[in-house]
Amino acid sequence: GESVGLHLPTLSVQEGDNSIINCAYSNSASDYFIWYKQESGKGPQFIIDIRSNMDKRQGQRVTVLLNKTVKHLSLQIAATQPGDSAVYFCAELPSGGYQKVTFGTGTKLQVIP
Amino acid sequence: EPEVTQTPSHQVTQMGQEVILRCVPISNHLYFYWYRQILGQKVEFLVSFYNNEISEKSEIFDDQFSVERPDGSNFTLKIRSTKLEDSAMYFCASSQPGQYYGYTFGSGTRLTVV
Repeated sequence: GESVGLHLPTLSVQEGDNSIINCAYSNSASDYFIWYKQESGKGPQFIIDIRSNMDKRQGQRVTVLLNKTVKHLSLQIAATQPGDSAVYFCAELPSGGYQKVTFGTGTKLQVIP
Repeated sequence: EPEVTQTPSHQVTQMGQEVILRCVPISNHLYFYWYRQILGQKVEFLVSFYNNEISEKSEIFDDQFSVERPDGSNFTLKIRSTKLEDSAMYFCASSQPGQYYGYTFGSGTRLTVV
């Protein structure tokens, strides 16, 4: 069956350092892979996505890398700030765009000032 | 920026009671969803709704659950007879066709069943 999971439950990073959050997936048929950020008491917020035919995509301070060979997804946050402290979920979406998003278990990022 | 609005933010109910969680999706969105998140766990899909009918549901969404779009703006999740294990955060989301990145979540309703 399909599953999206994360390697580490928590990650502590010094302010200003780069953060790397990893994710493993097993459903090769997924069309999109997405990273969400969830701050305390809020719903998941879209950060960045990558289509399955790409291996890298950059946003503002964030980069997502997709390695289909080993079914691995990562989120890199440059110059981590206290406001980046949150739980980060990887998620996958089949083609169609309106179907359910399947979330992984989440990594808590703690930024140390 | 458009938001998905959920009410109430926190609901406490006794086991066996019915609860209705309310959501106002973004006005021009056509797809609506409910997800839930048990404390400390991942966000789980419950149901998707389009064109006034359920388009997909998970195994969690059993006969105790129902959804409705009673008017042009609200989208509700009803749990007929709550169980202790229904305690969770419930998130509503909405999206436009083909624009999952516009898949916007509300801030959630924390349901506590006692």
